[in-house]
Amino acid sequence: QSVLTQPPSASGTPGQRVTISCSGTSSNIGTYAVTWYQHLPGAAPKLLIYTNNERPSGVPDRFSGSKSGTSGYLAISGLQSEDEADYYCAAWDNSLSGWVFGGGTKLTVL
Amino acid sequence: EVQLVESGGGLVQPGGSLRLSCAASGFTFSSYWMHWVRQAPGKGLVWVSRINSDGSSTSYADSVKGRFTISRDNAKNSLYLQMDSLRAEDTAVYYCAAGNYCDYWGQGTLVAVSS
Repeated sequence: QSVLTQPPSASGTPGQRVTISCSGTSSNIGTYAVTWYQHLPGAAPKLLIYTNNERPSGVPDRFSGSKSGTSGYLAISGLQSEDEADYYCAAWDNSLSGWVFGGGTKLTVL
Repeated sequence: EVQLVESGGGLVQPGGSLRLSCAASGFTFSSYWMHWVRQAPGKGLVWVSRINSDGSSTSYADSVKGRFTISRDNAKNSLYLQMDSLRAEDTAVYYCAAGNYCDYWGQGTLVAVSS
């Protein structure tokens, strides 16, 4: 059971906008920023979003992040087939004194 | 180009030990916090441990506290994870990651704990 809660799956058609949620508590997302990762099978995970809504260089602006209260959100607009991957949220947790991840959301591009 | 290359994984019996290594290049290793994150077969990512840039501060997930030890050698641009008293549930691909937000990741090394 992951500390952060994500829907196990999401889907969309090419060109569509998809949003993935990440629900936490006051000890993690409620206090600290949310980070998002993309993980393609057999590849190294990749940092997509940090500090709730910042994108590292090289990440397309189709990817955006936001936070409200104890939940974080990853939005992907103009969905492309290469976006098919697992997406994970993460945050620091001051009760556990460690990073916590969500269980991951498998995104399917139909 | 940033590169992180993990090594040291393999098959070990329950109760045994392994030492993972992560060789870093392409960035100023001594300036970065470093992490270990694992992924059990068919499961999601789970944070294991982190160490600050000079090695003076460490944190661990409750599941590995007292059994795993993270360390680094900035002169060798290397990160380590000493894993003792291994259990079946420690079976996973272990990734090293660099940066406050796990900005960069390696490809991982597989640890299998089984008799």
